[in-house]
Amino acid sequence: NAGVTQTPKFQVLKTGQSMTLQCAQDMNHNSMYWYRQDPGMGLRLIYYSASEGTTDKGEVPNGYNVSRLNKREFSLRLESAAPSQTSVYFCASSADRRNTEAFFGQGTRLTVV
Amino acid sequence: DAKTTQPPSMDCAEGRAANLPCNHSTISGNEYVYWYRQIHSQGPQYIIHGLKNNETNEMASLIITEDRKSSTLILPHATLRDTAVYYCIAAHPGRTYKYIFGTGTRLKVLA
Repeated sequence: NAGVTQTPKFQVLKTGQSMTLQCAQDMNHNSMYWYRQDPGMGLRLIYYSASEGTTDKGEVPNGYNVSRLNKREFSLRLESAAPSQTSVYFCASSADRRNTEAFFGQGTRLTVV
Repeated sequence: DAKTTQPPSMDCAEGRAANLPCNHSTISGNEYVYWYRQIHSQGPQYIIHGLKNNETNEMASLIITEDRKSSTLILPHATLRDTAVYYCIAAHPGRTYKYIFGTGTRLKVLA
């Protein structure tokens, strides 16, 4: 029972490099999310996808793009990484029906130097 | 969605009940109270949620005041593994994208 799987777990990038963070869920959830968490702070929503083929901006979308590849997978892309994007990134999914909760991945720790 | 206020930190002796308060004075009538926790730097983990009745599951109990302006998460017999940051969130059901994660309460369970 994998739940929400994120890859990679750790990554170091140089300023200006690009990369894609991968996320997959096996719970047949409609909704998927990308958050970032900076030291000492709560999670902030970057983008979300309410269903396959749709994406919407969250609180902090600048500098990121997303793709909802299919119902299982939701990727986050940094086109030109900046030191301000150093953070821990969490992917989550939910069924988004009444009385359901969100499930989170274990995170990707990204450092941009 | 309503914002919530939690104390930044609390300590609890191992084996005792941990009572974590949350203030959500601006909560609307159909917003639920959700609790999640984050152990070390892992992804948040769902604990419990409720609308107005008290709720209990295998992990915790949730007590919501009659006016719904505050709630308390109770871990009945805290263990060292319960040391974590606990987040209280007020949100409409099915609107996870509206979750507001504050800084939560850092609970330290002491041996």
